[in-house]
Amino acid sequence: DQQVKQNSPSLSVQEGRISILNCDYTNSMFDYFLWYKKYPAEGPTFLISISSIKDKNEDGRFTVFLNKSAKHLSLHIVPSQPGDSAVYFCAARDIMDSNYQLIWGAGTKLIIKP
Amino acid sequence: ETGVTQTPRHLVMGMTNKKSLKCEQHLGHNAMYWYKQSAKKPLELMFVYNFKEQTENNSVPSRFSPECPNSSHLFLHLHTLQPEDSALYLCASSQASGPETQYFGPGTRLLVL
Repeated sequence: DQQVKQNSPSLSVQEGRISILNCDYTNSMFDYFLWYKKYPAEGPTFLISISSIKDKNEDGRFTVFLNKSAKHLSLHIVPSQPGDSAVYFCAARDIMDSNYQLIWGAGTKLIIKP
Repeated sequence: ETGVTQTPRHLVMGMTNKKSLKCEQHLGHNAMYWYKQSAKKPLELMFVYNFKEQTENNSVPSRFSPECPNSSHLFLHLHTLQPEDSALYLCASSQASGPETQYFGPGTRLLVL
């Protein structure tokens, strides 16, 4: 059973608009969440993270929101640019895991239309 | 360029072959990881090495055999694989096995015939 779920396999957004990528989790012991971005033929690259003690973290055009009661986080990209077209992975860390293993979602493919 | 390189980038092998995947990191990190990514599935952590010692083996079949001769190099030895092992194999490194950001290589696309 997946502990981190990204229910939208793909998302298409017009350039300049806001992209919202969603991620749900089931484990209440997750204490740290990360978003990675992956282009074809490349490995994932770290984008932004948030600790469970916060509900928002912002870095330029990227903002991550965390709703602990709903066990939901989202990544907002505004304005969306063609270079944002990629697969976005949500990952979470279990504070009870001594190796701090990351649990990953299946990814959402974001397509920015010109 | 993330500082993590993987070779080969593509590999086709038969079920009776033996091959090795290589990963090298130039970031001075102490932890290295092997992940498997199958189509439309989450990344699956296979192995973790922390200061050259294996600290995690996520019930990976013995046909996958990791080797970490030093903190900069990580190998994944493959033998008698199955077609369902076809996937993208990603190597990553971090400062330590912990809450540190992981840096990924480009991956090896493996096809088992």
